[in-house]
Amino acid sequence: DAKTTQPTSMDCAEGRAANLPCNHSTISGNEYVYWYRQIHSQGPQYIIHGLKNNETNEMASLIITEDRKSSTLILPHATLRDTAVYYCIVPTGGSYIPTFGRGTSLIVHP
Amino acid sequence: NAGVTQTPKFRVLKTGQSMTLLCAQDMNHEYMYWYRQDPGMGLRLIHYSVGEGTTAKGEVPDGYNVSRLKKQNFLLGLESAAPSQTSVYFCASRGIFSYEQYFGPGTRLTVT
Repeated sequence: DAKTTQPTSMDCAEGRAANLPCNHSTISGNEYVYWYRQIHSQGPQYIIHGLKNNETNEMASLIITEDRKSSTLILPHATLRDTAVYYCIVPTGGSYIPTFGRGTSLIVHP
Repeated sequence: NAGVTQTPKFRVLKTGQSMTLLCAQDMNHEYMYWYRQDPGMGLRLIHYSVGEGTTAKGEVPDGYNVSRLKKQNFLLGLESAAPSQTSVYFCASRGIFSYEQYFGPGTRLTVT
C-alpha cells in the first residue's frame, strides 16, 4: 500500500465538525483512498472512499486535494458515538493486501 | 444477511493447547482475511485467501495455519498456543470489484 500518515489523536466537541487529515504523498494515479473506523472492541467499519473527486455519503465527506497527496475525512456534526479510531488506507494491486496502521484516535467530548 | 460472523466470541486456552477459529461470510466474497489486534495497536494481517482452496501468508503468519475449503468459510488454526498469541482476532471479506472490506465482530483469545 502507499504509505499514509495520520495524527495519533484528535478531539472534537459534540455537534462540531471533525476534520481528520491523512497524508498519502506516494499515491499513484489510479489508487483510491479508503477510510474505516473502529469503535472500541468492535471490528473496523467502512466509511467512504474516493479517487479524485470529493465524495459524500450518509456518514461523512471525503475531500481529496487536487494533487491527491492528502485527504481529509469530515464528520459534519460529530456525536459521542463517533468516538473511535479512524484509519486512512490506500490499497494497491489486484490482490490488495491492506495495511491498517495505528490510525487517528478521535475523542468527541460533550 | 448475517455478513461476517466469527466463532467463538471468547476463548481461554492453556499454553500448548490447540484450537480453530471459524469465520463465515454469506456475501459470496472471493477474498477473506485474518487479522490480529493487540492492545493499542493497529491490525496486523496473519493470512489471507483470494479464493476457495487458496491461502497466502500475511505479515505475522508464524504459529498459525489456515484453510479455505469452502468459499464461505475461512478457518484459522493455532496448533500449539502460546501466551504471545493472546489477542483479538478479526476476520474480514471483500468482493472482487471493490476494496471495501467487511469485518466480523472479533474473537477474544487469552492464552495462559
